[in-house]
Amino acid sequence: DTAVSQTPKYLVTQMGNDKSIKCEQNLGHDTMYWYKQDSKKFLKIMFSYNNKELIINETVPNRFSPKSPDKAHLNLHINSLELGDSAVYFCASSQEGRASTEAFFGQGTRLTVV
Amino acid sequence: GESVGLHLPTLSVQEGDNSIINCAYSNSASDYFIWYKQESGKGPQFIIDIRSNMDKRQGQRVTVLLNKTVKHLSLQIAATQPGDSAVYFCAENPSSYNTDKLIFGTGTRLQVFP
Repeated sequence: DTAVSQTPKYLVTQMGNDKSIKCEQNLGHDTMYWYKQDSKKFLKIMFSYNNKELIINETVPNRFSPKSPDKAHLNLHINSLELGDSAVYFCASSQEGRASTEAFFGQGTRLTVV
Repeated sequence: GESVGLHLPTLSVQEGDNSIINCAYSNSASDYFIWYKQESGKGPQFIIDIRSNMDKRQGQRVTVLLNKTVKHLSLQIAATQPGDSAVYFCAENPSSYNTDKLIFGTGTRLQVFP
């Protein structure tokens, strides 16, 4: 069974559209994250949720809105997509609500805005 | 061979040789460090971690060295194999910022040739 799964794996959409990426973890972890990886492979955290509560909200445009219906799911909704949003988005989870333990990553969602 | 993971450099090694990937981290108060491996089309995968009260930790074929004096982290891979080809990231947890997140370095691409 996949520990952290994201859907879709690929997403191609036009500028101005609204899209969502879903993430689920079956590890029983308390904390989930969204990371963005740009074309230069740089990984940067966007959001962190602990037991459905927003913990970290980095400097991300408010067009990005995470939603956590329960602690096993953390979805990312993006409004009014822009060309610069093209990237690979990774969901991750970790135990104990602390980044001082390893985080398990999903396989990523490659978003291409045209 | 050696490499500094600042601008996604590439380290090319021959199969069977040892690899050393270096990383300079930013926060002297960081207390936890992880090395991740990212294969093409996949999410980052945990390799090994080390806490700031240690200067060396060994795993299977991998060793992480931590030099807090110069804020330097290295990953040594013994007897490098083709399956080791990937991008390697170091990450730190800057706990002194009172936040719960990992900050990733820019990565080093390891290429293994026969």
